[in-house]
Amino acid sequence: DQQVKQNSPSLSVQEGRISILNCDYTNSMFDYFLWYKKYPAEGPTFLISISSIKDKNEDGRFTVFLNKSAKHLSLHIVPSQPGDSAVYFCAASAHSGGGADGLTFGKGTHLIIQP
Amino acid sequence: DGGITQSPKYLFRKEGQNVTLSCEQNLNHDAMYWYRQDPGQGLRLIYYSQIVNDFQKGDIAEGYSVSREKKESFPLTVTSAQKNPTAFYLCASSMGYTYNEQFFGPGTRLTVL
Repeated sequence: DQQVKQNSPSLSVQEGRISILNCDYTNSMFDYFLWYKKYPAEGPTFLISISSIKDKNEDGRFTVFLNKSAKHLSLHIVPSQPGDSAVYFCAASAHSGGGADGLTFGKGTHLIIQP
Repeated sequence: DGGITQSPKYLFRKEGQNVTLSCEQNLNHDAMYWYRQDPGQGLRLIYYSQIVNDFQKGDIAEGYSVSREKKESFPLTVTSAQKNPTAFYLCASSMGYTYNEQFFGPGTRLTVL
């Protein structure tokens, strides 16, 4: 039973254009969402996050949008660059008992930036 | 230079043997986590520890054990009871109680022969 879903296993985008990666979740208790970037045989690198009290967070070329009613979030990368080619994981956190437990991850989307 | 180290990078073991994966952090983080990644899959939580001498089972704890005797260290033992141990294992840490951002180590690829 997947609580965090990334329905596109891969996405190909031309360099300079916008990349949009999508993520859906089912658990209403999730209140914090994160995006990680991962290269093969390496650990994920934290990119950007958003709290459920916000609907948008921006950091340079990266923007995350959250639609709580639809239980949907998306990561926008503008403009896309060759170094952005990687697997992107969406992750969610639910505070149970006040503490930060482990994250629940989606299966990832492999973003390929075409020159 | 702060960070999380995992050793070794590649590990091979024979079926039926226990093996311990190392994870050390010098970030002064309270919380530490172990995840497992299989091909085409997301990361799945094995165990986590919010504070020294305390740890909790994650979603797939069966066949694994951990200890948290020191703040900096959170070793994971893959026991012979783990049916499919071949995977990429990732250790992470976070500042703790109210912090969600987790920072990951480089991972250990375990292969059972």
